[in-house]
Amino acid sequence: QQQVRQSPQSLTVWEGGTTVLTCSYEDSTFNYFPWYQQFPGEGPALLISILSVSDKKEDGRFTTFFNKREKKLSLHIIDSQPGDSATYFCAPQGGRALIFGTGTTVSVSP
Amino acid sequence: DPKIIQKPKYLVAVTGSEKILICEQYLGHNAMYWYRQSAKKPLEFMFSYSYQKLMDNQTASSRFQPQSSKKNHLDLQITALKPDDSATYFCASSQGPGASAETLYFGSGTRLTVL
Repeated sequence: QQQVRQSPQSLTVWEGGTTVLTCSYEDSTFNYFPWYQQFPGEGPALLISILSVSDKKEDGRFTTFFNKREKKLSLHIIDSQPGDSATYFCAPQGGRALIFGTGTTVSVSP
Repeated sequence: DPKIIQKPKYLVAVTGSEKILICEQYLGHNAMYWYRQSAKKPLEFMFSYSYQKLMDNQTASSRFQPQSSKKNHLDLQITALKPDDSATYFCASSQGPGASAETLYFGSGTRLTVL
């Protein structure tokens, strides 16, 4: 399967801080880039998504940026809350399937 | 109430045995999927079905066989189980027909352990 890499693998941020996650991919045919959030013991759930025709999408405290030339995305979480503690996956669409990245586990300390 | 039901939540099997993982979705969706998540690999796409027809198969082994008896069912039969099959198996669905930019909705998974 296509490689989708995320960094860092894990991070800890203080409550109220800003979290930045990055994702890189190889396949230039990808054109839909969702981010999924997964809590322990649960399946992933869509958090925010962006199409390749855009370079920024914002939804409340969550913003995703897309750089087509560099084949990179980022997810910014402002005013991080303990409830944001989860694993985050970028999952660009390859054909009909989502290709999940390696994931970043975020811990928000109060 | 959960809209995608996976049964059982936990499953322990012995090497060489056969198990069936159950998935039912009550979202009225037309496309269903199976993904696998293990400690060694990220969420790995296995199969996609649209209107009860196989659309994509990324699983190399024929030991994994999806079964769709109804539009809202997609079970996963695994034969000749191996310890490497130990993982959490997630079922998902989307509005369909599995085209671009669809949101996938995931169940809570079946955690399979093969001894």
